[in-house]
Amino acid sequence: AQSVTQLGSHVSVSEGALVLLRCNYSSSVPPYLFWYVQYPNQGLQLLLKYTSAATLVKGINGFEAEFKKSETSFHLTKPSAHMSDAAEYFCAVSDRGGADGLTFGKGTHLIIQP
Amino acid sequence: KAGVTQTPRYLIKTRGQQVTLSCSPISGHRSVSWYQQTPGQGLQFLFEYFSETQRNKGNFPGRFSGRQFSNSRSEMNVSTLELGDSALYLCASRTTGGETQYFGPGTRLLVL
Repeated sequence: AQSVTQLGSHVSVSEGALVLLRCNYSSSVPPYLFWYVQYPNQGLQLLLKYTSAATLVKGINGFEAEFKKSETSFHLTKPSAHMSDAAEYFCAVSDRGGADGLTFGKGTHLIIQP
Repeated sequence: KAGVTQTPRYLIKTRGQQVTLSCSPISGHRSVSWYQQTPGQGLQFLFEYFSETQRNKGNFPGRFSGRQFSNSRSEMNVSTLELGDSALYLCASRTTGGETQYFGPGTRLLVL
């Protein structure tokens, strides 16, 4: 069974500050890991994914994440927050086959203070 | 290439009714998955279809069912609606063997 824990249901940062959203996973098999973003009244947009290539993964909109197997973590970062980054962020895990679907964390609401 | 489309976008039903939601995947994608999103339970996997066959199902009652057509379009049906079925229903598609699921905008269902 797989699970995802996102620490902090709400994270508030100032515009221009570092964004760090935490994600820890549990998986009995080597996982695929994903970060999705959801804007109000919209579906999920893929930010980035880890599929066992480079452990530091770069995504869209300046986001990146590092897969750390020893810490079972896949934290999302962005060096400088922008007002447009305000949204809900979801970390997700799937097994290599993907047939069991994605298992999502509860989400982190990112608030950007002007 | 057009993204995943879902219809309708919004729906209001009353308890006891049934509802059918539709999803058209990205062209060339043969796998379609459905998810339910609620404030309390978050995002939960309902089921996945590939080549008109259900490959796996999440932990939902039998009132939730689906099907996939030969053109990969999928429908999800919920019978005997309950208040707790109010949610955003998201459809996602992926390529054969692909690991990335691409999501549609969702159908927001309100059960009164």
